[in-house]
Amino acid sequence: DTGVSQDPRHKITKRGQNVTFRCDPISEHNRLYWYRQTLGQGPEFLTYFQNEAQLEKSRLLSDRFSAERPKGSFSTLEIQRTEQGDSAMYLCASSLTRGGTGVGNEQFFGPGTRLTVL
Amino acid sequence: AQKVTQAQTEISVVEKEDVTLDCVYETRDTTYYLFWYKQPPSGELVFLIRRNSFDEQNEISGRYSWNFQKSTSSFNFTITASQVVDSAVYFCALSEARGDTGRRALTFGSGTRLQVQP
Repeated sequence: DTGVSQDPRHKITKRGQNVTFRCDPISEHNRLYWYRQTLGQGPEFLTYFQNEAQLEKSRLLSDRFSAERPKGSFSTLEIQRTEQGDSAMYLCASSLTRGGTGVGNEQFFGPGTRLTVL
Repeated sequence: AQKVTQAQTEISVVEKEDVTLDCVYETRDTTYYLFWYKQPPSGELVFLIRRNSFDEQNEISGRYSWNFQKSTSSFNFTITASQVVDSAVYFCALSEARGDTGRRALTFGSGTRLQVQP
């Protein structure tokens, strides 16, 4: 088990450019989450998937953000027309839910992608 | 709405001292889960403990112990005989289970940075 992986680990872009991040969850995990963490703050929820279905989106997820998990395995998070305020660490987490609500299941986090928008 | 407050922004102790990290939460749900995560300088969040709202038993794991008190909505974390390797940012988090609309994602506090000096 290699854990949750994210690519790239660092991304520097200019304002207005589009960026895409990838997350590979732990292989049997059916839930995948995206969070954003700014300096000195805790992670903030963006969106989550159960298998390929996107079940919840935060108000933080503006229409410039889109996430996909096409085959219920890896996920991508795209930010269009990046702004300086998008600079943050983007964290991916996964968990395994066997029936029930799945609330309370441990989430395993990846190392994150640090985005810097110049 | 759910909320997690970690009032201690930064704590500095000398090695072998005991230290308690405070966490206060707000939720309208009767069923919820509380977590502690550690974020070392490398950046990856590491799961430490999970507690559900029906289990107020305190827990001890090695030098770590947790005190859950529903009456004060607190879930405090104590490190006994701290070590330099304990230096990290520690996050308390909450997830709710309000039927099918329960929030599966974690709501994090802003974290407490612990520095353990040799």
